[in-house]
Amino acid sequence: NAGVTQTPKFQVLKTGQSMTLQCAQDMNHEYMSWYRQDPGMGLRLIHYSVGAGITDQGEVPNGYNVSRSTTEDFPLRLLSAAPSQTSVYFCASSYSADGGQPQHFGDGTRLSIL
Amino acid sequence: SQELEQSPQSLIVQEGKNLTINCTSSKTLYGLYWYKQKYGEGLIFLMMLQKGGEEKSHEKITAKLDEKKQQSSLHITASQPSHAGIYLCGADGAGTASKLTFGTGTRLQVTL
Repeated sequence: NAGVTQTPKFQVLKTGQSMTLQCAQDMNHEYMSWYRQDPGMGLRLIHYSVGAGITDQGEVPNGYNVSRSTTEDFPLRLLSAAPSQTSVYFCASSYSADGGQPQHFGDGTRLSIL
Repeated sequence: SQELEQSPQSLIVQEGKNLTINCTSSKTLYGLYWYKQKYGEGLIFLMMLQKGGEEKSHEKITAKLDEKKQQSSLHITASQPSHAGIYLCGADGAGTASKLTFGTGTRLQVTL
């Protein structure tokens, strides 16, 4: 019973490098989202998707790209990594984007940008 | 935009003691979620509240949403070391998950 799977769990990058954080869910959820968690700031929404082929920006989208070609996968791309993007990244999914649907979270990716 | 303020920011309690964590919203809450996070792990869903005055319990944890739907509390009875972690409240904004916001969390330690 996998739920939401994120890879990698840890990553160290140099400034300017690019990479993709992977997220996959096996619950046939329509809604998927990416958050970053920083000390003292809680979780902030980066991008979200209400279904395959549909994505939109959250609160802090700059420097990140997403795509949703399948229901299961929602990768997050860092175009040119910056030290300010050092954070813990969480992917989450829920049955739909309607309110009243608890989101299921992955275990996170801990990303350090040097 | 909606803001959630949690109090206290951190809490140390002795095993067996009761405790309460509060979550106050700047706007009406359409859906309020409580999550628990252990260090190095993801968020585990605990409970969801939607109606004013609603109260839900699971094992020794009780969550309540006030009548005005702007404040929620999480109460743990007879705390155990397994309750240690970070508790976060999250809220739907205007009835849609795309506007979900979170509080900054309450770190709970339970001492023996």
